[in-house]
Amino acid sequence: GQSLEQPSEVTAVEGAIVQINCTYQTSGFYGLSWYQQHDGGAPTFLSYNALDGLEETGRFSSFLSRSDSYGYLLLQELQMKDSASYFCAVSPGYSTLTFGKGTMLLVSP
Amino acid sequence: DGGITQSPKYLFRKEGQNVTLSCEQNLNHDAMYWYRQDPGQGLRLIYYSQIVNDFQKGDIAEGYSVSREKKESFPLTVTSAQKNPTAFYLCASKLENYGYTFGSGTRLTVV
Repeated sequence: GQSLEQPSEVTAVEGAIVQINCTYQTSGFYGLSWYQQHDGGAPTFLSYNALDGLEETGRFSSFLSRSDSYGYLLLQELQMKDSASYFCAVSPGYSTLTFGKGTMLLVSP
Repeated sequence: DGGITQSPKYLFRKEGQNVTLSCEQNLNHDAMYWYRQDPGQGLRLIYYSQIVNDFQKGDIAEGYSVSREKKESFPLTVTSAQKNPTAFYLCASKLENYGYTFGSGTRLTVV
């Protein structure tokens, strides 16, 4: 089976940088994804890492180390609208995605 | 605009009743998924389908059923065998090995 661990809550202030870590255990691995979900809304795709290293998309970056079964999402120049839940998800095969329990990010002024 | 449409947004079910949640996509994606989300929890996979007329059970398929008669449609039926159906249900689709696109969800409550 698969399991993912991420912190349940992270707090930060506007303009700061925050890192959300994710460790995983999986029988197969195609990649690690990150999704954002605002309260009551649909998850939206942020990033995907299949290979080791850093992927940058605007203010968001995602990192993967397959040897450590570890990844993180880095959010820079935090804004109030970044307050949301962030989920890491692992692709154990081509077809499916297994999600972590999510990290609630609270951004304060 | 392309996307995934889920209906209804809110659904109330009486004990012992079957209900069907609708999911329609116009993205021309082959793969479609149903996830369940409980408060403060991650998403758990119920069923998925990679092609028309074929589908596979996910991690929590008991008490649920699906069909895939058309590429665009993947309805989920919550049967009376599902003892704790109150949850937020999310439908998603995927093109190739990239990010999933989610619908806006159906919130099901047992009354």
